[in-house]
Amino acid sequence: GESVGLHLPTLSVQEGDNSIINCAYSNSASDYFIWYKQESGKGPQFIIDIRSNMDKRQGQRVTVLLNKTVKHLSLQIAATQPGDSAVYFCAENTAGNQFYFGTGTSLTVIP
Amino acid sequence: DTGVSQNPRHKITKRGQNVTFRCDPISEHNRLYWYRQTLGQGPEFLTYFQNEAQLEKSRLLSDRFSAERPKGSFSTLEIQRTEQGDSAMYLCASSPTRGSGNTIYFGEGSWLTVV
Repeated sequence: GESVGLHLPTLSVQEGDNSIINCAYSNSASDYFIWYKQESGKGPQFIIDIRSNMDKRQGQRVTVLLNKTVKHLSLQIAATQPGDSAVYFCAENTAGNQFYFGTGTSLTVIP
Repeated sequence: DTGVSQNPRHKITKRGQNVTFRCDPISEHNRLYWYRQTLGQGPEFLTYFQNEAQLEKSRLLSDRFSAERPKGSFSTLEIQRTEQGDSAMYLCASSPTRGSGNTIYFGEGSWLTVV
Protein backbone atom coordinates (compact mmCIF):
# COMPACT_ATOMS: atom_id res chain seq x y z
CA GLY A 1 0.00 0.00 0.00
CA GLU A 2 0.93 3.63 -0.16
CA SER A 3 3.14 5.13 2.48
CA VAL A 4 2.84 8.68 3.62
CA GLY A 5 5.30 9.77 6.25
CA LEU A 6 6.44 12.86 8.05
CA HIS A 7 10.00 13.90 8.75
CA LEU A 8 9.40 15.28 12.24
CA PRO A 9 6.90 13.99 14.76
CA THR A 10 7.00 17.18 16.89
CA LEU A 11 7.66 20.81 16.20
CA SER A 12 7.81 23.72 18.63
CA VAL A 13 7.77 27.29 17.42
CA GLN A 14 7.59 30.69 19.03
CA GLU A 15 4.38 32.61 18.58
CA GLY A 16 4.68 34.90 15.58
CA ASP A 17 7.30 32.78 13.85
CA ASN A 18 6.65 30.83 10.67
CA SER A 19 6.16 27.05 10.85
CA ILE A 20 7.10 24.50 8.23
CA ILE A 21 5.73 20.99 8.41
CA ASN A 22 7.05 18.40 5.97
CA CYS A 23 5.57 15.27 4.48
CA ALA A 24 6.98 12.59 2.18
CA TYR A 25 4.80 10.35 0.06
CA SER A 26 5.74 7.24 -1.83
CA ASN A 27 3.13 6.82 -4.57
CA SER A 28 4.21 8.77 -7.62
CA ALA A 29 0.72 8.26 -9.06
CA SER A 30 -0.92 10.30 -6.28
CA ASP A 31 -2.56 13.31 -7.85
CA TYR A 32 -4.28 15.13 -5.02
CA PHE A 33 -3.07 16.09 -1.56
CA ILE A 34 -4.70 17.62 1.47
CA TRP A 35 -3.38 19.00 4.73
CA TYR A 36 -5.54 18.52 7.79
CA LYS A 37 -5.35 19.97 11.28
CA GLN A 38 -6.54 17.86 14.19
CA GLU A 39 -7.08 19.23 17.67
CA SER A 40 -7.27 16.93 20.64
CA GLY A 41 -10.47 14.90 20.72
CA LYS A 42 -11.73 16.25 17.41
CA GLY A 43 -11.91 15.07 13.84
CA PRO A 44 -9.41 16.25 11.21
CA GLN A 45 -10.20 19.68 9.81
CA PHE A 46 -9.42 20.59 6.20
CA ILE A 47 -6.76 23.29 5.84
CA ILE A 48 -5.65 23.40 2.23
CA ASP A 49 -5.32 21.12 -0.78
CA ILE A 50 -3.24 20.93 -3.90
CA ARG A 51 -3.45 19.01 -7.14
CA SER A 52 -0.46 17.40 -8.77
CA ASN A 53 -0.50 19.86 -11.68
CA MET A 54 0.44 22.63 -9.25
CA ASP A 55 3.55 23.17 -7.18
CA LYS A 56 2.28 25.86 -4.84
CA ARG A 57 -0.99 26.98 -3.41
CA GLN A 58 -1.71 29.71 -0.91
CA GLY A 59 -4.50 30.18 1.56
CA GLN A 60 -5.00 32.44 4.50
CA ARG A 61 -1.68 32.31 6.41
CA VAL A 62 -0.95 28.87 4.92
CA THR A 63 0.97 27.78 1.86
CA VAL A 64 1.39 24.26 0.53
CA LEU A 65 4.34 23.36 -1.65
CA LEU A 66 4.48 20.21 -3.74
CA ASN A 67 7.68 18.78 -5.16
CA LYS A 68 6.76 15.81 -7.30
CA THR A 69 10.35 15.09 -8.22
CA VAL A 70 11.20 14.07 -4.69
CA LYS A 71 7.62 13.29 -3.65
CA HIS A 72 7.54 15.88 -0.91
CA LEU A 73 4.89 18.19 0.49
CA SER A 74 5.25 20.99 2.94
CA LEU A 75 2.83 23.16 4.85
CA GLN A 76 3.96 26.63 5.79
CA ILE A 77 2.06 28.56 8.43
CA ALA A 78 2.83 32.24 8.63
CA ALA A 79 2.84 34.14 11.92
CA THR A 80 2.01 31.04 13.94
CA GLN A 81 -0.54 31.58 16.69
CA PRO A 82 -1.34 29.57 19.83
CA GLY A 83 -4.53 28.39 18.14
CA ASP A 84 -2.40 26.67 15.53
CA SER A 85 -1.21 24.16 18.12
CA ALA A 86 -2.49 20.79 16.91
CA VAL A 87 -1.45 17.68 15.00
CA TYR A 88 -1.09 18.18 11.26
CA PHE A 89 -1.57 15.39 8.74
CA CYS A 90 -0.96 15.21 5.06
CA ALA A 91 -3.13 12.90 3.01
CA GLU A 92 -2.66 11.65 -0.53
CA ASN A 93 -5.21 10.50 -3.04
CA THR A 94 -4.80 8.51 -6.21
CA ALA A 95 -7.38 8.63 -8.98
CA GLY A 96 -10.26 9.48 -6.70
CA ASN A 97 -9.97 6.49 -4.42
CA GLN A 98 -9.38 6.55 -0.70
CA PHE A 99 -7.00 8.93 1.03
CA TYR A 100 -3.89 7.70 2.83
CA PHE A 101 -2.66 9.59 5.83
CA GLY A 102 0.74 10.03 7.40
CA THR A 103 1.50 9.68 11.09
CA GLY A 104 1.21 13.41 11.79
CA THR A 105 3.32 16.20 13.22
CA SER A 106 2.46 17.71 16.55
CA LEU A 107 2.89 21.49 16.45
CA THR A 108 3.26 23.37 19.71
CA VAL A 109 3.23 27.16 19.67
CA ILE A 110 5.07 28.77 22.55
CA PRO A 111 3.49 32.07 23.64
CA ASP B 1 -25.26 22.05 11.51
CA THR B 2 -24.43 20.95 7.99
CA GLY B 3 -21.27 19.04 8.78
CA VAL B 4 -20.71 15.30 9.04
CA SER B 5 -22.50 14.02 12.11
CA GLN B 6 -21.47 10.95 14.07
CA ASN B 7 -23.03 9.25 17.04
CA PRO B 8 -22.57 8.18 19.64
CA ARG B 9 -19.53 10.32 20.32
CA HIS B 10 -18.31 7.98 23.02
CA LYS B 11 -19.00 4.34 23.69
CA ILE B 12 -17.63 2.09 26.41
CA THR B 13 -18.40 -1.56 25.97
CA LYS B 14 -17.39 -4.86 27.43
CA ARG B 15 -15.30 -7.21 25.38
CA GLY B 16 -17.46 -9.51 23.32
CA GLN B 17 -20.35 -7.08 22.95
CA ASN B 18 -21.51 -5.63 19.65
CA VAL B 19 -21.45 -1.90 18.94
CA THR B 20 -22.87 0.20 16.14
CA PHE B 21 -21.89 3.69 15.05
CA ARG B 22 -23.89 5.94 12.81
CA CYS B 23 -22.71 8.57 10.37
CA ASP B 24 -24.81 11.21 8.65
CA PRO B 25 -22.79 12.76 5.82
CA ILE B 26 -23.03 16.28 4.50
CA SER B 27 -26.22 16.58 2.50
CA GLU B 28 -25.87 15.49 -1.13
CA HIS B 29 -22.39 14.07 -0.62
CA ASN B 30 -22.49 10.78 -2.43
CA ARG B 31 -19.19 9.41 -1.14
CA LEU B 32 -18.87 8.27 2.45
CA TYR B 33 -15.73 6.96 4.14
CA TRP B 34 -14.93 5.19 7.37
CA TYR B 35 -11.52 5.51 8.98
CA ARG B 36 -10.07 4.31 12.26
CA GLN B 37 -7.58 6.27 14.30
CA THR B 38 -5.57 5.19 17.31
CA LEU B 39 -3.59 7.45 19.60
CA GLY B 40 -0.54 8.98 17.93
CA GLN B 41 -1.41 7.64 14.50
CA GLY B 42 -3.02 9.02 11.42
CA PRO B 43 -6.44 7.86 10.26
CA GLU B 44 -6.43 4.41 8.65
CA PHE B 45 -8.80 3.69 5.82
CA LEU B 46 -11.49 1.08 6.47
CA THR B 47 -14.05 1.35 3.70
CA TYR B 48 -15.94 3.71 1.45
CA PHE B 49 -19.26 3.97 -0.34
CA GLN B 50 -20.37 5.61 -3.53
CA ASN B 51 -24.07 6.13 -2.86
CA GLU B 52 -25.23 2.77 -1.48
CA ALA B 53 -22.48 0.71 -3.11
CA GLN B 54 -19.53 -0.30 -0.96
CA LEU B 55 -16.65 0.15 -3.38
CA GLU B 56 -13.64 -0.81 -1.35
CA LYS B 57 -12.79 -2.46 1.95
CA SER B 58 -9.43 -2.42 3.66
CA ARG B 59 -7.92 -5.64 4.91
CA LEU B 60 -8.16 -3.95 8.32
CA LEU B 61 -11.88 -4.56 8.08
CA SER B 62 -12.09 -8.05 9.54
CA ASP B 63 -15.20 -10.18 9.29
CA ARG B 64 -16.31 -8.78 12.65
CA PHE B 65 -16.77 -5.40 11.01
CA SER B 66 -19.61 -4.56 8.70
CA ALA B 67 -20.63 -1.25 7.18
CA GLU B 68 -23.82 -0.39 5.39
CA ARG B 69 -25.31 2.55 3.61
CA PRO B 70 -28.71 1.20 2.62
CA LYS B 71 -30.29 4.26 1.03
CA GLY B 72 -27.17 6.10 0.04
CA SER B 73 -27.56 8.61 2.84
CA PHE B 74 -26.51 7.72 6.40
CA SER B 75 -24.18 4.81 7.13
CA THR B 76 -23.65 2.43 10.02
CA LEU B 77 -20.50 0.66 11.12
CA GLU B 78 -21.05 -2.39 13.29
CA ILE B 79 -18.37 -4.22 15.22
CA GLN B 80 -19.32 -7.65 16.48
CA ARG B 81 -17.68 -9.46 19.37
CA THR B 82 -15.54 -6.47 20.23
CA GLU B 83 -11.93 -6.95 21.32
CA GLN B 84 -9.69 -4.61 23.27
CA GLY B 85 -7.72 -3.94 20.10
CA ASP B 86 -10.84 -2.37 18.60
CA SER B 87 -10.50 0.57 21.00
CA ALA B 88 -9.98 3.58 18.76
CA MET B 89 -11.71 6.59 17.30
CA TYR B 90 -13.88 5.76 14.30
CA LEU B 91 -14.05 8.62 11.86
CA CYS B 92 -16.58 9.16 9.13
CA ALA B 93 -16.00 11.49 6.21
CA SER B 94 -17.90 12.45 3.09
CA SER B 95 -17.16 14.06 -0.25
CA PRO B 96 -19.41 15.53 -2.92
CA THR B 97 -18.48 13.69 -6.11
CA ARG B 98 -16.38 10.88 -7.39
CA GLY B 99 -13.07 11.38 -9.07
CA SER B 100 -9.75 12.77 -8.02
CA GLY B 101 -9.50 16.09 -6.31
CA ASN B 102 -12.60 16.02 -4.13
CA THR B 103 -12.00 17.03 -0.57
CA ILE B 104 -13.26 14.75 2.16
CA TYR B 105 -14.74 16.34 5.24
CA PHE B 106 -14.59 14.55 8.56
CA GLY B 107 -16.97 14.28 11.45
CA GLU B 108 -15.86 14.58 15.05
CA GLY B 109 -15.47 10.85 15.43
CA SER B 110 -16.88 8.15 17.66
CA TRP B 111 -14.61 7.01 20.45
CA LEU B 112 -14.78 3.33 21.32
CA THR B 113 -13.31 1.91 24.50
CA VAL B 114 -13.47 -1.85 24.94
CA VAL B 115 -12.95 -2.98 28.54
